[in-house]
Amino acid sequence: QVQLVQSGAEVKKPGASVKVSCRASGYTFSTYNFHWVRQAPGQGLEYMGWIYAGNGDSTYSHNFQGRVTITRDTSATTVYMEMSSLRSEDTAVYYCAREKPADGWFDPWGQGTQVTVSS
Amino acid sequence: QSALTQPASVSGSPGQSITISCTGTSSDVGGYNYVSWYQHHPGKAPKLMISTVSNRPSGVSYRFSGSKSGYTASLTISGLQAEDEADYYCASYRRGNTYAFGTGTKVTVL
Repeated sequence: QVQLVQSGAEVKKPGASVKVSCRASGYTFSTYNFHWVRQAPGQGLEYMGWIYAGNGDSTYSHNFQGRVTITRDTSATTVYMEMSSLRSEDTAVYYCAREKPADGWFDPWGQGTQVTVSS
Repeated sequence: QSALTQPASVSGSPGQSITISCTGTSSDVGGYNYVSWYQHHPGKAPKLMISTVSNRPSGVSYRFSGSKSGYTASLTISGLQAEDEADYYCASYRRGNTYAFGTGTKVTVL
């Protein structure tokens, strides 16, 4: 069964970092791209960036460049999204999603991880 | 970098058809056919409804269809049903090897 399982909810203080994981199963991990998307309370989906699991190359949306790092561990078939210098506006549900290279669409998605930034 | 533009809300009665627009620029919707649509119920993972402008994945109802003209893509839901009530988002590849989502549309079944 093709699925993405994300790590549990996190509560962080402003200025801290958070690392969210996304474990893939049911297919050949290294042949896919993995994307990260977030949704803040009352807001829409916001694209963050992606990684090619084959060689670890990553690309970030301009809004997150310099503050977000996406990595992968092929032995664990897991992708990670780490965000630094957290602020209250980063409170959101974070999703990972899979893309077959050059398909241009995302399926399946992880269940989402709630990250709350509060002092 | 700005989001693609969608209407905030669209509503219709059961059995009617509705259309949601998604307007971008030559750097995204207008320049590529990598437009997809997602249904999102609060608290759940988004679900792919349409890929590459107009392709319907296996398991998605025939009542959902997609199209594109110029800088605007559209999602049409025909034979509207109560279960279609959700938020809908378009997404497009954007020049620079990244992607963008639409602002989202809340669909209400009257």
